[in-house]
Amino acid sequence: DGGITQSPKYLFRKEGQNVTLSCEQNLNHDAMYWYRQDPGQGLRLIYYSQIVNDFQKGDIAEGYSVSREKKESFPLTVTSAQKNPTAFYLCASSSPWAYNQPQHFGDGTRLSIL
Amino acid sequence: AQKITQTQPGMFVQEKEAVTLDCTYDTSDPSYGLFWYKQPSSGEMIFLIYQGSYDQQNATEGRYSLNFQKARKSANLVISASQLGDSAMYFCAMRSSVSGSARQLTFGSGTQLTVLP
Repeated sequence: DGGITQSPKYLFRKEGQNVTLSCEQNLNHDAMYWYRQDPGQGLRLIYYSQIVNDFQKGDIAEGYSVSREKKESFPLTVTSAQKNPTAFYLCASSSPWAYNQPQHFGDGTRLSIL
Repeated sequence: AQKITQTQPGMFVQEKEAVTLDCTYDTSDPSYGLFWYKQPSSGEMIFLIYQGSYDQQNATEGRYSLNFQKARKSANLVISASQLGDSAMYFCAMRSSVSGSARQLTFGSGTQLTVLP
């Protein structure tokens, strides 16, 4: 079945450490997205990518970085510059050219500070 | 800029009853799509239903229907015959037809629905 796989499910970060969240999709979607969700809140866009080797900042990109070397993969790095990284991170994909199509989501990664 | 407003942080409904979750939106784009997602406590986002801005009829998907009132800019989700498994967070979201930003989704803050036995 086609879908989006995020790993790991749980991740712990030490002070000053960079950590990378994995997101892989086999839906053949061109666009991929990273969202952050804080407890009891909606989703906020961190970064998005419309095609390979291209990505754009979303609303809360500071302290995060991404790469898009392959169509299937869109890893997110939470850098030490992100002072409050504890949150639930969701990766999504969609066709960017069809606004009537939903974004498909992975199961998320919960990141906590040690 | 687009904005989604969900004014009900929490809702309770008796099992087998119907419930309406409110969503209002604001956009200046000529055409757009409205989506509802369900997020159980496990965290995954489950797509429920879609309504296009030019659709003449309200969308329906099984027990889910969308009460779309374009002039009022509202897109309320109606869940009929509530089940215990419907207890979850529900998000309303919008996607514009205007190119750029990969037509990103804009989300509301969500409504936590609890179904009582």
